[in-house]
Amino acid sequence: NAGVTQTPKFQVLKTGQSMTLQCAQDMNHNSMYWYRQDPGMGLRLIYYSASEGTTDKGEVPNGYNVSRLNKREFSLRLESAAPSQTSVYFCASSGPGQVGNTEAFFGQGTRLTVV
Amino acid sequence: AQSVTQPDIHITVSEGASLELRCNYSYGATPYLFWYVQSPGQGLQLLLKYFSGDTLVQGIKGFEAEFKRSQSSFNLRKPSVHWSDAAEYFCAVGGRSNTGKLIFGQGTTLQVKP
Repeated sequence: NAGVTQTPKFQVLKTGQSMTLQCAQDMNHNSMYWYRQDPGMGLRLIYYSASEGTTDKGEVPNGYNVSRLNKREFSLRLESAAPSQTSVYFCASSGPGQVGNTEAFFGQGTRLTVV
Repeated sequence: AQSVTQPDIHITVSEGASLELRCNYSYGATPYLFWYVQSPGQGLQLLLKYFSGDTLVQGIKGFEAEFKRSQSSFNLRKPSVHWSDAAEYFCAVGGRSNTGKLIFGQGTTLQVKP
């Protein structure tokens, strides 16, 4: 059981380049999330998808787009990377359960550097 | 506004000593509360969670946490710390909705002295 799988694990981009971070979960979860982690700031929610076919902005959505391709996959796209987007990105998912009564499972993270 | 505060950025304890990591939250309704641990270069692993009922919850690796509504706190404790507990710890709060999104604190880095 792989859980939440993110690719790639590491990436270096030049300013202005684009890229897509991939995330897949095999737990049949409805909800998926993208967070970024920066020193001293904890994890901040970029976008989330409460169910297949829906996406919503989180706390820090500017400069990002997302696609909920199907129930398993939720991708994060940087259209024009900026140095301020240097961060560690985590994908997470959570199951249906009772309303809100679930825990989030996290991937191993993608360390992105924009130069 | 919804927020989570972990007042201690770094904590150093000796192996075998007791540990308490503080967490305070601001939330408009009764929250769901979580503690996660992150080892270097790894993702986040759930230590424990509080949804309802008994305000003292037990988690993995010998950790426990107590929900105190009057103090808006959810402090994490362990009676005897092991060197392998060195990591970063995050407190998080979630709402009673079907989105499951979480608000995280800034994190507390735990160093364990031999």
